Parts: sequence; C-alpha cells; structure tokens
Amino acid sequence: GDSVTQMEGPVTLSEEAFLTINCTYTATGYPSLFWYVQYPGEGLQLLLKATKADDKGSNKGFEATYRKETTSFHLEKGSVQVSDSAVYFCAPAGSGGNLIFGKGTKLSVKP
Amino acid sequence: GAVVSQHPSRVICKSGTSVKIECRSLDFQATTMFWYRQFPKQSLMLMATSNEGSKATYEQGVEKDKFLINHASLTLSTLTVTSAHPEDSSFYICSARDLVGAEETQYFGPGTRLLVL
Repeated sequence: GDSVTQMEGPVTLSEEAFLTINCTYTATGYPSLFWYVQYPGEGLQLLLKATKADDKGSNKGFEATYRKETTSFHLEKGSVQVSDSAVYFCAPAGSGGNLIFGKGTKLSVKP
Repeated sequence: GAVVSQHPSRVICKSGTSVKIECRSLDFQATTMFWYRQFPKQSLMLMATSNEGSKATYEQGVEKDKFLINHASLTLSTLTVTSAHPEDSSFYICSARDLVGAEETQYFGPGTRLLVL
C-alpha cells in the first residue's frame, strides 16, 4: 500500500543553519504531496504543497520539490529560526483523498 | 485559510462512558471529512473517512461499532467513542477537504485529547 518514509528526528540545529528533512514515498500514480507543521500545543497546519511532478512548493522560506523520478519531496530551508521549532510531517495524498502521514520529524532550533 | 474547529479540545471521562467529538468546517462546505488518531510521538493514523449523507468508511482494524461517525451536514461530522476504555485515550484529529476548482486542500482541526480513566 501507499506509505511514506521520513527522516527520523529529533533534529537539532543552531539558528541560521541550513535544514533538510528527507521524505520519500510509495504510491500508485502521482499523488499531490504535502508538508504539514505542528507547533507545540497546536494543531496541524499546511506548510506547503505540490500537485505535480517538478512543482516546487514554498512558504515561509521553506521549499520542497516534487521529484517523480526519486519519489521524494524533501523539505529545505536556507536559514532556520528558533520559531521554526516544531514537528514536520510529510504527507502524500492517498487514493481515498485522505493523507498518509510520515512519523514526523521534530526540529529544535537553538539560539 | 479555511478554519476547522473541534469540540471539545480536551475531555476526561470514566471507563464505560461515551464521548462525542464534533468537527466543524467554519467557512466552507466539506463533503468529506477524515478522522485521525495520533499516539504520543507518533504519526497520525487514519481511522475513517466521513462522507456527508452516507456511511463512513473505516480503515482496517478500526471498530465501527466503537467509533461511531455521523456526517449529517456539509459542515459537521461527529465521532462518538462508545464505552470508552483507557486504551482509547489518545489525540483525535479531524480534517475537512476543501475543493476549489481543481485544487484540493485539507484543513485540520486543532485536535481533541481524550483521557479515559
């Protein structure tokens, strides 16, 4: 069945460091791909998305490119801030319209 | 963006009682809502797909008689945990699917933390 493998955390970085969180998936066809973020004590928020191959989703300095060849959707940010500390979830769309979530990657950014 | 609310945000109940959780899409109509369950430090697991006006579709291993889902209107879905037991303690999250043209986005509620004593 459809599944997603996400980089295990926790990831601890210093402020202004470069961030990469790897995500690969298995799916039938070419699903839309999403990154969601969960800040401490809050619900899931959509961070960015890409709906077709080679699309790049971006938001708040984060980017991810839909790579059909490698079935990947890695999340990147050039310079992280303390306020980026959260749990990040990679999620391809399932065939039923639901989202299939990775285990989440906890990011801690130190000043 | 669109807003999805959940009520209650937190509930504590005694073993054997039933708990109802509401999920509302506040500024859009959602023919489909999803219910997820999240265990501590783990991912969200899909429990069921709730379709307005029809029976919910449950994922394998989810007891439909224990987790009753009702999607009576385009803006409201409810999840009732019947005869709750301590192992049902978890974080329950709903999402609502918003279809705008060819674009589709899911919006998540803030979650309901259930503790069964």
